[in-house]
Amino acid sequence: QVQLQQWGAGLLKPSETLSLTCAVSGGSFSGFYWSWIRQSPGKGLEWIGEINHSGTSDYNPSLKSRVTISVDTPKRQFSLKVSSVTAADTAVYFCARQNNDVDDAFDIWGQGTLVTVSS
Amino acid sequence: DIQMTQSPSSLSASVGDRVSFTCRASQNMSINMSWYQQKSGRAPKLLIFAASKLQNGVPSRFSGSGSGTDFTFTISGLQPEDFATYYCQQTYETPPLTFGGGTKVEIK
Repeated sequence: QVQLQQWGAGLLKPSETLSLTCAVSGGSFSGFYWSWIRQSPGKGLEWIGEINHSGTSDYNPSLKSRVTISVDTPKRQFSLKVSSVTAADTAVYFCARQNNDVDDAFDIWGQGTLVTVSS
Repeated sequence: DIQMTQSPSSLSASVGDRVSFTCRASQNMSINMSWYQQKSGRAPKLLIFAASKLQNGVPSRFSGSGSGTDFTFTISGLQPEDFATYYCQQTYETPPLTFGGGTKVEIK
C-alpha cells in the first residue's frame, strides 16, 4: 500500500524559507509525478507544482519565482522550498501522487503539514 | 489558467436525500474533471476521475457527469459520513492544475 509521509518546520518568520519533505513508501516511485498542494485557512486548494523521478518539474506560475521542488530518487523523497515567505503563505501543505491511471488526478495524499508564518 | 467555479458554495440536506452540485470551467476541458471529498482536518480523497469514473473502493452512491465546460456531482442517498466539502479539479491543462472553490454539504 502506497503511503506518503511528510514533515517540515511548522512555524516561520516573514522572509524565511519554507522547507518540507515527503517520503513515499510502497509501490513505484518512478512511474508518477509528485505534487505539492496547499490550502490556506478556510480556503480552497492551490496546486504549487510537481516533479518526477528524473527531476522534471513544473510550477504554478503564480508561485514559480519563489518555489523549488526537488527529488531524491534513491531515498524515494521529494521536497518543497518556498522562499521569502509572508503571512499569505500560511496554509496546510499536502504532498500528493498524480496518477495517469486515474486521468492524472491525485489519488494518494500525505497527511498535511500546517505551516504558520508569523513575526 | 482554467478557472473552476463551483455552485452552490454550501447546501443543507438530510440523510437519504439526493444532492447535486455543479462545477463550471472557464474553457472546454473535455472530460478531464476529478472530484474530491474533504473532511475537516483531513487530506482530500479522490472520488471521481475522468468526469464519471468511480475511484476504486468509492461507494456507488457517488457519481459524476458532464463534459466540455459543465460538470455535475451527485450523491444518491446521502449518508451521515458524506457531510463534507467537495472540490472539483481539472486535469486538462497544466500549469497550473486548478481546483474549484468547494461545495460544503451540511446537515439540515
